[in-house]
Amino acid sequence: GAGVSQSPSNKVTEKGKDVELRCDPISGHTALYWYRQSLGQGLEFLIYFQGNSAPDKSGLPSDRFSAERTGGSVSTLTIQRTQQEDSAVYLCASSSIAVTINEQFFGPGTRLTVL
Amino acid sequence: QKEVEQNSGPLSVPEGAIASLNCTYSDRVSQSFFWYRQYSGKSPELIMSIYSNGDKEDGRFTAQLNKASQYVSLLIRDSQPSDSATYLCAVGQYSSASKIIFGSGTRLSIRP
Repeated sequence: GAGVSQSPSNKVTEKGKDVELRCDPISGHTALYWYRQSLGQGLEFLIYFQGNSAPDKSGLPSDRFSAERTGGSVSTLTIQRTQQEDSAVYLCASSSIAVTINEQFFGPGTRLTVL
Repeated sequence: QKEVEQNSGPLSVPEGAIASLNCTYSDRVSQSFFWYRQYSGKSPELIMSIYSNGDKEDGRFTAQLNKASQYVSLLIRDSQPSDSATYLCAVGQYSSASKIIFGSGTRLSIRP
């Protein structure tokens, strides 16, 4: 079956512009996560959606970052007034809501470059 | 103190040998533990998950969990050059869908 998809795969933008990154989770997965990975670094948690519950936004680095998930499926991560330090690979993952499982499956990522 | 700690490596292992990767975590109530493999320029791929103390084997991979010592490890038997990658340890507070915290990864190199 189809895995997690993300678009665009690459995004180059100028400092100060807004960008939107899209994630389409695995069909049937109700939990969705956004992470950021800077070059040579580990994954930094950004935000987590689970069904109709309020999202866990504890990892968002500033108020320039926001995310929404419409219809319980597709999610969009928005970065306003981009800065050069926002350059990274943005990864989306999804998982099922099975009670005894917490396995997350990742999309291919969006590589964001802020000039 | 980092929440999930791994030796950054690189760890160099001869082909055919056992590679041993280690990870410690700080949150004593953690319930779910994972190993992801990440090839350069690619996204992480889940290779093992473990939820209970002890060993869990899947093919050439064995995950070991010791909650009392807050320690999780990954053994790769009969290492192959294709195993060369960065291995990320990840820990979740709950067994069900929840945020997980990643270590910074250990770079593994299998030399022919």
